[in-house]
Amino acid sequence: DGGITQSPKYLFRKEGQNVTLSCEQNLNHDAMYWYRQDPGQGLRLIYYSQIVNDFQKGDIAEGYSVSREKKESFPLTVTSAQKNPTAFYLCASLDGAVSNQPQHFGDGTRLSIL
Amino acid sequence: GENVEQHPSTLSVQEGDSAVIKCTYSDSASNYFPWYKQELGKGPQLIIDIRSNVGEKKDQRIAVTLNKTAKHFSLHITETQPEDSAVYFCAASKTSYDKVIFGPGTSLSVIP
Repeated sequence: DGGITQSPKYLFRKEGQNVTLSCEQNLNHDAMYWYRQDPGQGLRLIYYSQIVNDFQKGDIAEGYSVSREKKESFPLTVTSAQKNPTAFYLCASLDGAVSNQPQHFGDGTRLSIL
Repeated sequence: GENVEQHPSTLSVQEGDSAVIKCTYSDSASNYFPWYKQELGKGPQLIIDIRSNVGEKKDQRIAVTLNKTAKHFSLHITETQPEDSAVYFCAASKTSYDKVIFGPGTSLSVIP
């Protein structure tokens, strides 16, 4: 079945450490997104990419970095500069070639600090 | 800036009753309004969506209404069941690649 796979499901970060969250999709979607969700909160956009080798900052990009070397993959790195990384991270993709389509979400990665 | 408000933040209903969640958007150019259901530990899943050229859409027990003049849209769930318990998010966007603006979510509890 087509879908979005996020890994790992749980991740722990030590102080001063960078960690990378994986997001892979086999939906052949051009656009991919990363969101952060804090307990009881909505979704805040971190970064998004509309095409390979291009990406834009979202509302809360500080302390995060991304790459988009392949259409299927959009990894997110949480750097040591992100002082409050504990959250649920969601990846999504979108078929931008068709108007008014919904984003498809993965099942998230929960990141905690050790 | 662009904003989507959502009410109520929490909602408890008895099994079999109806549930209504209301959203208001600020950008009059928004033309696509999806609703997502998020179960604990999972990603949001689309349950229904509506486009600006339609006033109402139904899918079995779920319906969405849109009032473009008032910039309101609502989710209606009839004959609620315990498995409807989840967090529901409304959202608004203008074009396919445009940033989607999500509401803060409504935690729905259906009491057996």
